Amino acid sequence: DTGVSQNPRHKITKRGQNVTFRCDPISEHNRLYWYRQTLGQGPEFLTYFQNEAQLEKSRLLSDRFSAERPKGSFSTLEIQRTEQGDSAMYLCASSNAGGAAKLFFGSGTQLSVL
Amino acid sequence: ELKVEQNPLFLSMQEGKNYTIYCNYSTTSDRLYWYRQDPGKSLESLFVLLSNGAVKQEGRLMASLDTKARLSTLHITAAVHDLSATYFCAVDAAGGSNYKLTFGKGTLLTVNP
Repeated sequence: DTGVSQNPRHKITKRGQNVTFRCDPISEHNRLYWYRQTLGQGPEFLTYFQNEAQLEKSRLLSDRFSAERPKGSFSTLEIQRTEQGDSAMYLCASSNAGGAAKLFFGSGTQLSVL
Repeated sequence: ELKVEQNPLFLSMQEGKNYTIYCNYSTTSDRLYWYRQDPGKSLESLFVLLSNGAVKQEGRLMASLDTKARLSTLHITAAVHDLSATYFCAVDAAGGSNYKLTFGKGTLLTVNP
């Protein structure tokens, strides 16, 4: 168990640019989640996948955001035309489906939009 | 909309003292999670509470759940400096499907010598 891996750890970009983050879940986990955390707040749910299917998206996920999980393995989160309000920590988590499976979080990608 | 409120948001304790962090939530749920987050690090799962009356203990931390009162507590016994961190409670907002957690704002705990 190597844990949930996220890349990059930090991303600084200019407003209007596109950015893409990657998440590699724990290998045997079929569920993958994206959360966003801003300073002084708890994480907020963005979206989740069961295998390759994206099953729910939060209202926080505007049409500038897109997430994919091809082949049910790693996932990418892309933000197009970034805005300063997108600055946050983007957290990925994974778990097994069913029961009360714990979510295992990655270390996150800290996005700063200048 | 599910709301999760923690208090206090900031807690400064002396080593050796006891204290309790409270987590209230607004809608019915029988799944509650406690996480710990160190500065610049990710969230570490502490406890998963699955039913009314559930109590779990790990070291100096004990968590309980009262689903009728919609209240969970995280009790710290004889605090030590290593417990300094931010503690979050989170409630399963998806009717037990365990895919959508709503987090509180967190309690920043500082344990002073």
